[in-house]
Amino acid sequence: KAGVTQTPRYLIKTRGQQVTLSCSPISGHRSVSWYQQTPGQGLQFLFEYFSETQRNKGNFPGRFSGRQFSNSRSEMNVSTLELGDSALYLCASSLGGGTRKINTEAFFGQGTRLTVV
Amino acid sequence: SQQGEEDPQALSIQEGENATMNCSYKTSINNLQWYRQNSGRGLVHLILIRSNEREKHSGRLRVTLDTSKKSSSLLITASRAADTASYFCATPLMGATNKLIFGTGTLLAVQP
Repeated sequence: KAGVTQTPRYLIKTRGQQVTLSCSPISGHRSVSWYQQTPGQGLQFLFEYFSETQRNKGNFPGRFSGRQFSNSRSEMNVSTLELGDSALYLCASSLGGGTRKINTEAFFGQGTRLTVV
Repeated sequence: SQQGEEDPQALSIQEGENATMNCSYKTSINNLQWYRQNSGRGLVHLILIRSNEREKHSGRLRVTLDTSKKSSSLLITASRAADTASYFCATPLMGATNKLIFGTGTLLAVQP
């Protein structure tokens, strides 16, 4: 079974630009979550999507947005990039179904390393 | 912040020794999970312990959970150089979500 695939792996953008990151979850997984990892703040939850609906959102400004498609693939977008957005962005997929399949282990992609200059 | 704390922040040991990492969390939980991250890469799930369990083993890993103290520990026995990585505990937010709240992590270095 293929793992979680994130593209691109590395990205360099300039301040003010926007960026779109992509995540393909494990086949059959309907829940996709996004995390930002920085040396200063650690791993911070961005948002979770389940069946094309945002189910939970972290404490990030509105410049951070996401969506999920009918095939469970997800994208996240960051507009008007700031230097502080430089980070490793991680996508995680989970079964995320009913109450018996909630809160289960998450499978992470290799991440997208975003550098804003 | 809901983020949990881990200690130590960094740990350096020799191959063959045991490594123990501790995690404290703040909220009620259904389970607690441990993940490993090799330098700058994705996280790998190691083990999940449910709130009604006190100890769990998986290979060279032993995890304990004390819900009264809101704490957990991860023991890696007979460590190897390949165990060098950052280790994070994570607690899922209760309810219909897979949101994970991560600890601050322990950087383990195993010297050959």
